[in-house]
Amino acid sequence: AQSVTQPDIHITVSEGASLELRCNYSYGATPYLFWYVQSPGQGLQLLLKYFSGDTLVQGIKGFEAEFKRSQSSFNLRKPSVHWSDAAEYFCAVAPGLILTGGGNKLTFGTGTQLKVEL
Amino acid sequence: DGGITQSPKYLFRKEGQNVTLSCEQNLNHDAMYWYRQDPGQGLRLIYYSQIVNDFQKGDIAEGYSVSREKKESFPLTVTSAQKNPTAFYLCASSPRVDRDFPPLHFGNGTRLTVT
Repeated sequence: AQSVTQPDIHITVSEGASLELRCNYSYGATPYLFWYVQSPGQGLQLLLKYFSGDTLVQGIKGFEAEFKRSQSSFNLRKPSVHWSDAAEYFCAVAPGLILTGGGNKLTFGTGTQLKVEL
Repeated sequence: DGGITQSPKYLFRKEGQNVTLSCEQNLNHDAMYWYRQDPGQGLRLIYYSQIVNDFQKGDIAEGYSVSREKKESFPLTVTSAQKNPTAFYLCASSPRVDRDFPPLHFGNGTRLTVT
């Protein structure tokens, strides 16, 4: 079964500073990888997704993520953070080898809470 | 606009009562999911359904039940057997998992408080 780790529970950055949120996964092959963002009291919104191709993936709101197979990582980055980026960010992993009998599930990390200082 | 509607946004119940959370989608998605969110634990999968009249247990199904009689609807019942029901519940949907794993679309959640 796959698993995902987000080692940072809270991160605080100043507005305009760069951001990197860490995500490490465990899976036997290349998985599907996702980053979602959640504003307080709301559902989750997809930022970006990776499965194959270019290891640097561009998403919405100026976010990007880089897949590094050797490190089993899929870190999220943004060059310049805006106050509106304050939210909780979740990395998620799904099996890259789809099982025809079902049992294909998306597994979430525990999230990283981002605070932006003005 | 297409989307997922969860109702109500806030729900309060007394311990020992069953309660049903509503989830409706008009995205024409085959698959639907229920997640539970607790502080510091991320999202944990309760039940999921890839097609009408079929559903599978997720990682924490004990104390919960679901039905999938219509493509658009996937209600979740929190039974009195669920020991810690107070949580934020999120419903999601996606196209059917086939050759690849599609992104999930989420509703805005229902916060359930049981006292």
